[in-house]
Amino acid sequence: NAGVTQTPKFQVLKTGQSMTLQCAQDMNHNSMYWYRQDPGMGLRLIYYSASEGTTDKGEVPNGYNVSRLNKREFSLRLESAAPSQTSVYFCASSGLLGDNWVTGELFFGEGSRLTVL
Amino acid sequence: DQQVKQNSPSLSVQEGRISILNCDYTNSMFDYFLWYKKYPAEGPTFLISISSIKDKNEDGRFTVFLNKSAKHLSLHIVPSQPGDSAVYFCAARNTGFQKLVFGTGTRLLVSP
Repeated sequence: NAGVTQTPKFQVLKTGQSMTLQCAQDMNHNSMYWYRQDPGMGLRLIYYSASEGTTDKGEVPNGYNVSRLNKREFSLRLESAAPSQTSVYFCASSGLLGDNWVTGELFFGEGSRLTVL
Repeated sequence: DQQVKQNSPSLSVQEGRISILNCDYTNSMFDYFLWYKKYPAEGPTFLISISSIKDKNEDGRFTVFLNKSAKHLSLHIVPSQPGDSAVYFCAARNTGFQKLVFGTGTRLLVSP
């Protein structure tokens, strides 16, 4: 099983360029998330999608947009990249609370390392 | 405002000894707590969890303790092994909400 797949794994952008990070899961999960990891800051939630057709802001949504394309796919877009968006981005997915998902476990992809010059 | 805090950025222990990783939280609405382990260039993976109705959960070498009155939890690894060297994140979720709030992480180094 592939689990959660993110593309690309590495990307270098110039300030002002745009790009989209792609994420797909094959576990039939309802919920999907985008986190960023920065030194000393841990994992911070950017956006999440509780179910297909819905998206909500997390802790640090500024400068990002998301699209829940279908149940499997959740993309993160940077419209005008800034050096402050240099980070490692993780996509994750989870099942529904109460649906064999008591613990709240999230399944993560391997990450996408983005550098904005 | 950091709702989940891991005040020790790093911890070094010798193989075979106990590793204790600590986590504090501020939100009394958190009802479930999880620990994740992360190796370099990989995504975090779930390790162990505990509900707020319990004070201890054990899984092999890993035990998580929860002190609700102190808003504190800890992860004990006994005995520690070199393969346990990784970054450990504490996470929590509110009642009825799916999204997790993560701490800043503690880098554990277990030396042979």
